[in-house]
Amino acid sequence: GAVVSQHPSWVICKSGTSVKIECRSLDFQATTMFWYRQFPKQSLMLMATSNEGSKATYEQGVEKDKFLINHASLTLSTLTVTSAHPEDSSFYICSARGLAGRGSDTQYFGPGTRLTVL
Amino acid sequence: GQNIDQPTEMTATEGAIVQINCTYQTSGFNGLFWYQQHAGEAPTFLSYNVLDGLEEKGRFSSFLSRSKGYSYLLLKELQMKDSASYLCAVKDSDYKLSFGAGTTVTVRA
Repeated sequence: GAVVSQHPSWVICKSGTSVKIECRSLDFQATTMFWYRQFPKQSLMLMATSNEGSKATYEQGVEKDKFLINHASLTLSTLTVTSAHPEDSSFYICSARGLAGRGSDTQYFGPGTRLTVL
Repeated sequence: GQNIDQPTEMTATEGAIVQINCTYQTSGFNGLFWYQQHAGEAPTFLSYNVLDGLEEKGRFSSFLSRSKGYSYLLLKELQMKDSASYLCAVKDSDYKLSFGAGTTVTVRA
């Protein structure tokens, strides 16, 4: 259980174009999903928290007009990188909040999407 | 802000034991997680501690001391496949995760 998928696994795009990344919880409902970015040899940095049916909450320094997040259902959240530039090239990982037992929750991560902007 | 520290790298031989320490100073505390991440892949959940003490799960154990802001992940009977980055993450008062920079463990034959 607690499987999260991401699509696409990798994408190469031209500078100035937009890219949409999908995150799905396959076997559980996730009211909250998180979007992270990870640069090489660095840790995960939270970009935004996505709640089903409401606007996403962005971390300080993350441009909400550039990174559009939509959480239309309990199993799907999308991240759209608009007008991508080479500095947006990174590993984007989503996670979905689920139960880890003992009354507590954890985050289950998708396999990640590697974005390369030329 | 959140401050989570762990060593950058550790090397050990196959069959040995390695202990990865993590110290944290965060605004609020609602549990500490350890994740394993292989290069180019997403993190996978290893353990969760919210109360002081040791949680054992097979070859992996995790310890927490909330008063000291300290945790460790213990890897026993190391195998080559254990070579990976190990991430310490703290869940804060908003239930968001803040990650340490990760510890790269290299297992040598």
